[in-house]
Amino acid sequence: DAGVIQSPRHEVTEMGQEVTLRCKPISGHDYLFWYRQTMMRGLELLIYFNNNVPIDDSGMPEDRFSAKMPNASFSTLKIQPSEPRDSAVYFCASSFRTGINTEAFFGQGTRLTVV
Amino acid sequence: QKEVEQNSGPLSVPEGAIASLNCTYSDRGSQSFFWYRQYSGKSPELIMSIYSNGDKEDGRFTAQLNKASQYVSLLIRDSQPSDSATYLCALSGGSYIPTFGRGTSLIVHP
Repeated sequence: DAGVIQSPRHEVTEMGQEVTLRCKPISGHDYLFWYRQTMMRGLELLIYFNNNVPIDDSGMPEDRFSAKMPNASFSTLKIQPSEPRDSAVYFCASSFRTGINTEAFFGQGTRLTVV
Repeated sequence: QKEVEQNSGPLSVPEGAIASLNCTYSDRGSQSFFWYRQYSGKSPELIMSIYSNGDKEDGRFTAQLNKASQYVSLLIRDSQPSDSATYLCALSGGSYIPTFGRGTSLIVHP
């Protein structure tokens, strides 16, 4: 398997622009997570999906952030409008739960810089 | 809210030594525990999972879990410079959602 695939790897955008991050989870995985990593706050969960359904978006910092999972093989995280404080590395991860086994596997991340 | 605490380090050990990384957590309902390794500029990579009290060994890595003390650790034997990275402790409970600590930076010097 190719693993979790994220695009783009790097994104530089101007404040106020819309940014869309993309993720293809591992085939057969039923959970998909979006995390954000910064030096200040570490790895924070933004939102997660189970079987394509958003379950908990309490980690989404503001209404400017939205996420969708239209099918089992694709998810997007959108920021509109973007702000400099959104600069971070955004990771997508997926897992397949069997019992209490919830091993999550990460994509390579998208490094977002908002100027 | 699950809290996962790790010493940020850096932990510096000489090549060939045993590196000991520790993690404590607050949620007694946690069932699954993980160690991830993250090289600078890269994504977290799962290296160990542990679900029951005791030790679990995989090559040079040993994970130790003590649920009564709410403590999980990772031992790296015969440390190599290539082990230099940040090690993230993670756990999940009834929601099956991994929560991560801030990580411990490990430096293995020749």
